[in-house]
Amino acid sequence: SQKIEQNSEALNIQEGKTATLTCNYTNYSPAYLQWYRQDPGRGPVFLLLIRENEKEKRKERLKVTFDTTLKQSLFHITASQPADSATYLCALKNYGGSQGNLIFGKGTKLSVKP
Amino acid sequence: DGGITQSPKYLFRKEGQNVTLSCEQNLNHDAMYWYRQDPGQGLRLIYYSQIVNDFQKGDIAEGYSVSREKKESFPLTVTSAQKNPTAFYLCASSIDGRAAGELFFGEGSRLTVL
Repeated sequence: SQKIEQNSEALNIQEGKTATLTCNYTNYSPAYLQWYRQDPGRGPVFLLLIRENEKEKRKERLKVTFDTTLKQSLFHITASQPADSATYLCALKNYGGSQGNLIFGKGTKLSVKP
Repeated sequence: DGGITQSPKYLFRKEGQNVTLSCEQNLNHDAMYWYRQDPGQGLRLIYYSQIVNDFQKGDIAEGYSVSREKKESFPLTVTSAQKNPTAFYLCASSIDGRAAGELFFGEGSRLTVL
């Protein structure tokens, strides 16, 4: 069966450390992966997109990697801050079809302690 | 400011009643989407529309209906046929429905059935 899993429901880290969130998928052939941030009671906000032929993307303190052999994307936040505390969602798009076929993971709730 | 506006933010409904959630965007995006979010689950697609006067069912369309009479508007009706309508509903848009690109989300509407 097809699955997309963010294998930590919650992640607690100390301020200043690097947070690493994982997104694994099974039986998909993603054209690309996206990462979103969602604060409680709010809509998700887009952070980064990485295509299947890209290994790494960076944006300020954020870095995302994509390994099609391991069927995994890693999302890193360096020098984490309490303001980074939120739920982070990964989403993949299989080849073909429209963005209506975007599949979301359940999310990882990140808490950064001062 | 450009963006997506959902209303109402909170809505209470008695069993057996239909209710309509509003979604308006001024981003000039062609594609619009409705997702449902439940605790511990990923976002699930209800309906999406790639162009005016056209829409497609998502994974959980039963008990819901939509219309797309104007580019900027994509209202969702939760009908009495929806067995478990209590949830957080998110509307989103993208420039078009096929190209890779970010989804812009509204702030969500929380529906509670009494």
